[in-house]
Amino acid sequence: GQQLNQSPQSMFIQEGEDVSMNCTSSSIFNTWLWYKQDPGEGPVLLIALYKAGELTSNGRLTAQFGITRKDSFLNISASIPSDVGIYFCAGHKYTGTASKLTFGTGTRLQVTL
Amino acid sequence: NAGVTQTPKFRVLKTGQSMTLLCAQDMNHEYMYWYRQDPGMGLRLIHYSVGEGTTAKGEVPDGYNVSRLKKQNFLLGLESAAPSQTSVYFCASSYWQGLSPLHFGNGTRLTVT
Repeated sequence: GQQLNQSPQSMFIQEGEDVSMNCTSSSIFNTWLWYKQDPGEGPVLLIALYKAGELTSNGRLTAQFGITRKDSFLNISASIPSDVGIYFCAGHKYTGTASKLTFGTGTRLQVTL
Repeated sequence: NAGVTQTPKFRVLKTGQSMTLLCAQDMNHEYMYWYRQDPGMGLRLIHYSVGEGTTAKGEVPDGYNVSRLKKQNFLLGLESAAPSQTSVYFCASSYWQGLSPLHFGNGTRLTVT
């Protein structure tokens, strides 16, 4: 099955730094989603993007739906310790008869004081 | 609100043993899903259900069976566990497919020896 290419795989940053991660695909998606998974918990939705070129913010998080509909990025500004976790992108598309959601491989973020 | 509840949280099986993972949601969601999460692989869909009494195969269904006898419950069964099924299993639910966000449980960590 298709997997989205998410990079980087992991990041070690200092508190206060900005973070950028992205997700690319060989196929087009109708919707891009970004989830965060805290240690020992299930993923939680951060941001949903519904239109090519759309730029959406949620507090210190900003995400964009790539104009080609094949990529998306997530930025976190002024990182804090609670930003630690795994960030997953997910792309959604309709295939005519079914609805399909594909997850990226995740970016593991570590924040040091 | 409990949201999505998975039981058990941890389980160790020997090869060939069987078990059932239970997922319960209290949000009256129509759609329910079972994913597995493996290092470097992201989340992969095992089976899903679009409503009470229905089930469908996802990306990696082999070795698993599911049942959705009640709208709020979605069971994942392993008839004869194999070491390759060692993973973290997540249940999720959504109001409908597509643009509706997934709500995840906190996962079940399964080890097959």
